[in-house]
Amino acid sequence: GAVVSQHPSRVICKSGTSVKIECRSLDFQATTMFWYRQFPKKSLMLMATSNEGSKATYEQGVEKDKFLINHASLTLSTLTVTSAHPEDSSFYICSAIRGGGVNEQFFGPGTRLTVL
Amino acid sequence: DQQVKQNSPSLSVQEGRISILNCDYTNSMFDYFLWYKKYPAEGPTFLISISSIKDKNEDGRFTVFLNKSAKHLSLHIVPSQPGDSAVYFCAARATDSWGKLQFGAGTQVVVTP
Repeated sequence: GAVVSQHPSRVICKSGTSVKIECRSLDFQATTMFWYRQFPKKSLMLMATSNEGSKATYEQGVEKDKFLINHASLTLSTLTVTSAHPEDSSFYICSAIRGGGVNEQFFGPGTRLTVL
Repeated sequence: DQQVKQNSPSLSVQEGRISILNCDYTNSMFDYFLWYKKYPAEGPTFLISISSIKDKNEDGRFTVFLNKSAKHLSLHIVPSQPGDSAVYFCAARATDSWGKLQFGAGTQVVVTP
């Protein structure tokens, strides 16, 4: 299957700093990528839809100024958690759609963010 | 509000037996359903899907059943194998939201020897 990577796989930062997470589709172009957040033993919660060349679309309740998304190319989307606080600690997962049906959505391995 | 629900947080099954995972949904606009398998600290991997125009889809050891009137679907794994131990997520897509998935809370499956 197609490969989606995330970097870094885990990051620990101090409260108040900003953290950037990268999501790359390695062997296909993705005009659409999604960012999810997962709390321990909870569901994956869709945060936003990232479209190449345009502004991201955020789900209700997700602060767009807090979670900055940039989809600068067909293979790269970035999520920046600005002024991170301990409550932002979570597992962040991206997915990318490779042309075709909805089952052609591939997930990255996730990034564990811990804010001290 | 949770539109996709997996009410069983965990399931333990003996190797060789059948695993049945259940999923209920509330949004009648959902027209496509998927099951994903997830290991700790990894992203979900696609298992099997079903369109709302069907009531059954089979792929090897995995079969998904859809009961639209009851807004219920289930995943059957038979025979269960130790490598099936993982968290299984049910996901659904609405007609007008291409690509956007709503996930259930997941069911932790443990297959014992």
